[in-house]
Amino acid sequence: QVQLQESGPGLVKPSQTLSLTCTVSGGSISSSDYYWTWIRQPPGKGLEWIGYIYYTGSDYYNPSLKSRLIISIDTSKNQFSLRLSSVTAADTAVYYCARSRARCLDTWGQGTLVTVSS
Amino acid sequence: DIVMTQSPDSLAVSLGERAIINCKSSQSILNNSNNKNYLAWYQQKPGQPPKLLIYWTSTRESGVPDRFTGSGSGTDFTLSISSLQAEDVASYYCQQYYTHPLTFGGGTKVEIK
Repeated sequence: QVQLQESGPGLVKPSQTLSLTCTVSGGSISSSDYYWTWIRQPPGKGLEWIGYIYYTGSDYYNPSLKSRLIISIDTSKNQFSLRLSSVTAADTAVYYCARSRARCLDTWGQGTLVTVSS
Repeated sequence: DIVMTQSPDSLAVSLGERAIINCKSSQSILNNSNNKNYLAWYQQKPGQPPKLLIYWTSTRESGVPDRFTGSGSGTDFTLSISSLQAEDVASYYCQQYYTHPLTFGGGTKVEIK
């Protein structure tokens, strides 16, 4: 059974870059059946889709974040990553990685809280 | 962007009673070429990630109890829990996957009365 696990700093200073990695275990990130997705949830609020990437490197980003966002994939490590630049307090959230099957999110990581604060 | 609006924001239901959650999209999410509505439902319990319950409006994910039923078409959708159990206390989110960016409803919190 595939599992996903987010990792990265829990605290980022304003104007800096938030970087997270999702490690996939129990399955190959190179499967042609799935896209690999980032979603976030500000404390006490709803869900926001950030973007996803395919094993070929093809990606799609939420236009609201596109100018600050890079999602990358490393098939040799079975990992994919998120980089969000110029962060502000509004980027404080639990960040989830997830597997997308036909754009439905069928497997999620446990999430990691990232706080933007000086 | 397609805006997904859920109602109510919260509801309290007695154990064994029915809970109904509504979700409305700002435009149709029905693909006329395959007659499928691109609508999913997720359940999120406190401190946990969301869990996929239903996709294609009404198809239950493997292992989801049949007391969860999705319905609707076009712009109006419903998630029904036929006989509320204690373990169903959670927030529920609808999501459209008809077009990018994928968008979620604001969530509905279900509690026991």
